[in-house]
Amino acid sequence: AQKVTQAQTEISVVEKEDVTLDCVYETRDTTYYLFWYKQPPSGELVFLIRRNSFDEQNEISGRYSWNFQKSTSSFNFTITASQVVDSAVYFCALSERAGGFKTIFGAGTRLFVKA
Amino acid sequence: EAQVTQNPRYLITVTGKKLTVTCSQNMNHEYMSWYRQDPGLGLRQIYYSMNVEVTDKGDVPEGYKVSRKEKRNFPLILESPSPNQTSLYFCASSLVGPQQSPLHFGNGTRLTVT
Repeated sequence: AQKVTQAQTEISVVEKEDVTLDCVYETRDTTYYLFWYKQPPSGELVFLIRRNSFDEQNEISGRYSWNFQKSTSSFNFTITASQVVDSAVYFCALSERAGGFKTIFGAGTRLFVKA
Repeated sequence: EAQVTQNPRYLITVTGKKLTVTCSQNMNHEYMSWYRQDPGLGLRQIYYSMNVEVTDKGDVPEGYKVSRKEKRNFPLILESPSPNQTSLYFCASSLVGPQQSPLHFGNGTRLTVT
């Protein structure tokens, strides 16, 4: 069965600090896809990144970076030099090829960035 | 503008009174899905649809119905709402499926059942 665990319920940092949001997943499938979504205080959900299980290259997009490690079943998200606008709830999600077209979300991590 | 539109944004109703939350997308997406968001539980999938007239259950389908008569519309129906269906609901769509393409979400519908 697929499962996504985001152990950090809330994180609070001061602006310009780096912060890492953890995501650990469980799957029996060899082909799967991992995602991160952002939910700012306004409530909408915004896609950030998608990764497939065959691509373990880390990715960097501006201040955002993602570290995918199959050996530890983790797909962690780091924000460098955090800003107040990064304050949001961040969701990690998993979709298995064998799971049909379901997507399982983690419980989310609420990030507070204080000025 | 490419978007997923849900209506209404807020809805307060009473137990047992049938309601429908509409969802429409203008991106010609094949895949549509409904989620509910509850504190501490993240988003849980209710139903999804890979194409017109094709729907399937997600993880929490009890108490909900959906239909996909047209590609652009995917309404969520609560035949007899109960207080445990009080939640924030999101409709989402993607081009061909959640694995190959990212989900585009509507702005959410906050439902309160008293």
